[in-house]
Amino acid sequence: DGGITQSPKYLFRKEGQNVTLSCEQNLNHDAMYWYRQDPGQGLRLIYYSQIVNDFQKGDIAEGYSVSREKKESFPLTVTSAQKNPTAFYLCASTRRQNYNEQFFGPGTRLTVL
Amino acid sequence: GDSVTQMEGPVTLSEEAFLTINCTYTATGYPSLFWYVQYPGEGLQLLLKATKADDKGSNKGFEATYRKETTSFHLEKGSVQVSDSAVYFCALSGGTSYDKVIFGPGTSLSVIP
Repeated sequence: DGGITQSPKYLFRKEGQNVTLSCEQNLNHDAMYWYRQDPGQGLRLIYYSQIVNDFQKGDIAEGYSVSREKKESFPLTVTSAQKNPTAFYLCASTRRQNYNEQFFGPGTRLTVL
Repeated sequence: GDSVTQMEGPVTLSEEAFLTINCTYTATGYPSLFWYVQYPGEGLQLLLKATKADDKGSNKGFEATYRKETTSFHLEKGSVQVSDSAVYFCALSGGTSYDKVIFGPGTSLSVIP
């Protein structure tokens, strides 16, 4: 079955440590996105990528970094510079030719202790 | 820039009640409009969409009509069930933010037996 996988589902890290969240898709989608969601809040765009080896900052990119070395993969690193990293992180993808429906992964809940 | 406004929640309804969640948008051109649903602890799923004016999207008993004259895309369901309890997001794509989807803040719905 085609879809988006995010791992792990739950992630715990100590303050000051960098952590990388995985996002993989087998939908052959060109564009991929990372969102942050805080309790009771909507989605905020962190980074997005329309093609391999290219990505753009979203609304809240500070303290985060990404790479797009393969079409299927778009990992997100939460660095120690992110002041309040505890949140629910969602990855999504869409076909570049049709910026319509976004497909979402199940999310990773990051807790920084 | 493009934006989406939704009625604030939380919304609490009794089972079998009628549901309306209001959504209005601001965008140039002819955006596509979406409703996504998020169940607790999960990613977002596309509920329905409409790609041009006067289109009606429908799925699982939910409906929404793309009204360009009022820039609205209100979500309705005639008889809600406990299993409809979730957060609902209105969204658009294809305006000036052609490479992103613009999400509303979400409306939390709780259906009580």
